[in-house]
Amino acid sequence: GESVGLHLPTLSVQEGDNSIINCAYSNSASDYFIWYKQESGKGPQFIIDIRSNMDKRQGQRVTVLLNKTVKHLSLQIAATQPGDSAVYFCAENAGGTSYGKLTFGQGTILTVHP
Amino acid sequence: DGGITQSPKYLFRKEGQNVTLSCEQNLNHDAMYWYRQDPGQGLRLIYYSQIVNDFQKGDIAEGYSVSREKKESFPLTVTSAQKNPTAFYLCASSKGRLAGVNEQYFGPGTRLTVT
Repeated sequence: GESVGLHLPTLSVQEGDNSIINCAYSNSASDYFIWYKQESGKGPQFIIDIRSNMDKRQGQRVTVLLNKTVKHLSLQIAATQPGDSAVYFCAENAGGTSYGKLTFGQGTILTVHP
Repeated sequence: DGGITQSPKYLFRKEGQNVTLSCEQNLNHDAMYWYRQDPGQGLRLIYYSQIVNDFQKGDIAEGYSVSREKKESFPLTVTSAQKNPTAFYLCASSKGRLAGVNEQYFGPGTRLTVT
């Protein structure tokens, strides 16, 4: 999972395996969550989002799970491919006076071995 | 071809000089954002703007300034007061308040090096 500091969590998997990337968030008022993929030297790309009134949402090869009780978010990638290798960030929006603002986690490095 | 453009991709400046980073979007988005990313870290919000002619400080606004005179443009000036300006700067946009909270679309980034 993600943590504070300069050493990002890493996840190494074999091509074809399923990957699970975890994220703990701290603000119980957050009502919108999003996962981004960032390749080296590029801007983040949107993967999938979920609102707090849901606990699961599926996209193409990806699933996001939200557990509000323990303030935990996960991203599952099915049949991981070498092109999935990147840094993955979760982000949350707290609403209220923070409307529109996203707070990003530190990121997790995913490495997929052929 | 819609999207967000940032220029230049790489920028080099001497310490003590102000520098302005460009961000343009043709997505017709109301909201725009500037983030800073340091090696091995997540994104930190510098400034954001929900609508033209209005902007708010983010978490690390000191040493930076912005303007939002046009909907499609949100330039960021890194002033000489910014103590550690060398970083990767990312601009983003989103549909804005009227559309509800939604994803932000990011530009390709500008890598600024100050020596």
